[in-house]
Amino acid sequence: KQEVTQIPAALSVPEGENLVLNCSFTDSAIYNLQWFRQDPGKGLTSLLLIQSSQREQTSGRLNASLDKSSGRSTLYIAASQPGDSATYLCAVRPAFAGNMLTFGGGTRLMVKP
Amino acid sequence: GAVVSQHPSRVICKSGTSVKIECRSLDFQATTMFWYRQFPKQSLMLMATSNEGSKATYEQGVEKDKFLINHASLTLSTLTVTSAHPEDSSFYICSASRGYREGNTEAFFGQGTRLTVV
Repeated sequence: KQEVTQIPAALSVPEGENLVLNCSFTDSAIYNLQWFRQDPGKGLTSLLLIQSSQREQTSGRLNASLDKSSGRSTLYIAASQPGDSATYLCAVRPAFAGNMLTFGGGTRLMVKP
Repeated sequence: GAVVSQHPSRVICKSGTSVKIECRSLDFQATTMFWYRQFPKQSLMLMATSNEGSKATYEQGVEKDKFLINHASLTLSTLTVTSAHPEDSSFYICSASRGYREGNTEAFFGQGTRLTVV
C-alpha cells in the first residue's frame, strides 16, 4: 500500500528565506506526483505536476524535483513571501490504480513579514 | 489550469435533512471524479470514486446509503448527504482529473463545501 509522508508538518520562516518542503513515498510505481497549495477553508490549487519520467518542474519561484527510485520529492520555494503562507500537500498517483491520488499529511507554512 | 466548480461553498442544515453538493468540470470532460472529506488540520480522506454512467466506488468505512453519489454526465457529479447529523459536519472537496492518457492525469479540485449540521 502506497504511503506518503511530508516533513516537516509545520514550518515558520521569516520573509525572504528560501525553503524546502519534503515528500516521500513508499512505492516508486507511480504515474506522476502533484504538489498542491491549500488556503484555510478553501480547496486545493495545483502548483506543479511532475510526470514519472521527469526530474523536475518549475513555475515562477517554485521548483519541484522528483527522484522516483528513492521515493522522494522536494518543493523549493525561493524568496518566500507572506502570501506563500498556506498548507502544501503532495500527492502521488500510483500506477495501475486508476486516477486515484494518495496524499501526504501536508506541511503548514507560515511566512512572517 | 482547468477549472472545477463546487457548489455550495458553505451550507448549514438541520439534523435529519439532506444536502446536495455539486461538482462540475467547466472546461473538460471527466469520466471519473472523486469526493474527499477533510477534518480540521488533517489531510484529505478519499470517500468515493464517482464514475460517469455507473455506480460509485466507495472506500472502506464510507456508508453508501448515507453519501449518495450520482455522476449523470461527463461534467457533473453530485454528493448527497442524506439524513445529516452533526457528526457529518465537515469540509467536503471534489476533484476531477484531466487526462493525457489512461492513468496519467492531472487532478483539479473544487473550492470545497463547508457543511455544518445543527
